[in-house]
Amino acid sequence: NAGVMQNPRHLVRRRGQEARLRCSPMKGHSHVYWYRQLPEEGLKFMVYLQKENIIDESGMPKERFSAEFPKEGPSILRIQQVVRGDSAAYFCASLGTSGRRTYNEQFFGPGTRLTVL
Amino acid sequence: AQSVTQLDSQVPVFEEAPVELRCNYSSSVSVYLFWYVQYPNQGLQLLLKYLSGSTLVKGINGFEAEFNKSQTSFHLRKPSVHISDTAEYFCAVSEWNNNDMRFGAGTRLTVKP
Repeated sequence: NAGVMQNPRHLVRRRGQEARLRCSPMKGHSHVYWYRQLPEEGLKFMVYLQKENIIDESGMPKERFSAEFPKEGPSILRIQQVVRGDSAAYFCASLGTSGRRTYNEQFFGPGTRLTVL
Repeated sequence: AQSVTQLDSQVPVFEEAPVELRCNYSSSVSVYLFWYVQYPNQGLQLLLKYLSGSTLVKGINGFEAEFNKSQTSFHLRKPSVHISDTAEYFCAVSEWNNNDMRFGAGTRLTVKP
């Protein structure tokens, strides 16, 4: 059973470009979380999605950032017009359910390290 | 909403010494508690979790943690650390009635020879 997959692992963008980060949850998981880890800082919650729905986006910056989790395919975190302050590691985590029960353990991907030049 | 405070941002210790990494949480409902470890340039790996039952939880790599409801704490301990335990450790809390998880700022454990 493959774990959470993220790609690319490293992404370099120039200021003003767009960054697209992909996350494929574990098989059977329908909940996806995105976190940002700035250098020398902890993990900050960004957004929580289920298939085709944004459940909680309270941690997302109001501008330039968006996330989706379509019915088919990976979850995408999109950053438009990147700035140097967007340089960080972005982690995706997935969570599974079985019937009405939700298992609270989140499984993390290896992260995408975004560098904005 | 729940929140987590990790009281120490950095903890340096010598090899084979005991260590305790402190974590306090805040919530108005019952919670689940977790400790994750992050090795350099890697993702987070679950060390242990408390869902219910015994308040002393044993995890991987010889770590354990104790849930103390009255003190709203979930401190992580290891009786004898190794160089390989050098990593960032994150405490996290999730409320029983939702799927949101909140992380502490992390504690960097550095084990010296």
